[in-house]
Amino acid sequence: ILNVEQSPQSLHVQEGDSTNFTCSFPSSNFYALHWYRWETAKSPEALFVMTLNGDEKKKGRISATLNTKEGYSYLYIKGSQPEDSATYLCASQGSGGGADGLTFGKGTHLIIQP
Amino acid sequence: ETGVTQSPTHLIKTRGQQVTLRCSSQSGHNTVSWYQQALGQGPQFIFQYYREEENGRGNFPPRFSGLQFPNYSSELNVNALELDDSALYLCASSLGQASPLHFGNGTRLTVT
Repeated sequence: ILNVEQSPQSLHVQEGDSTNFTCSFPSSNFYALHWYRWETAKSPEALFVMTLNGDEKKKGRISATLNTKEGYSYLYIKGSQPEDSATYLCASQGSGGGADGLTFGKGTHLIIQP
Repeated sequence: ETGVTQSPTHLIKTRGQQVTLRCSSQSGHNTVSWYQQALGQGPQFIFQYYREEENGRGNFPPRFSGLQFPNYSSELNVNALELDDSALYLCASSLGQASPLHFGNGTRLTVT
């Protein structure tokens, strides 16, 4: 069983500021790391899936990095906007592939203050 | 392209009863998985179906069971409901290994 930890649990950021948060996961039996954004009253939306050590992915103002050797991933948001307010979930996928399912962290709840 | 839809959106059941939750996969997705999110927790993996067969299961008792149909839609059945089964149940479809999950809006189950 993989344990995924996210920090901080919640975060208040001023509009226009940049921010980042962390996901840590056991590095053994690693296959993939997923990031999702979950806005209130909506369904979780996939942001990134990363598999290789050193992977960096970018989607607009949001980017993510992956370190599989030490077992962590960072999510960065540049120039935060009110629409970035959401819970950000990371999930680790074991080497059993999809049949193992994803192990999710509890999420980082981000609030952007105008 | 049709997204993932779940029904019902909310449900109230009594302890000991049985419940069936339904999910329609995104068009073209042959893999469906179910997750339970209890209050204050991240989603927890229940099981996954691929081509109508269960091919992965999390740490949930046998009273949690499922089905996947030829059109890739799916059901989650829970027997002998317990109070701790109260949670948000999320269905997600995907194209398989290391593919992003596409989630439905979930079914909120309350067991009294």
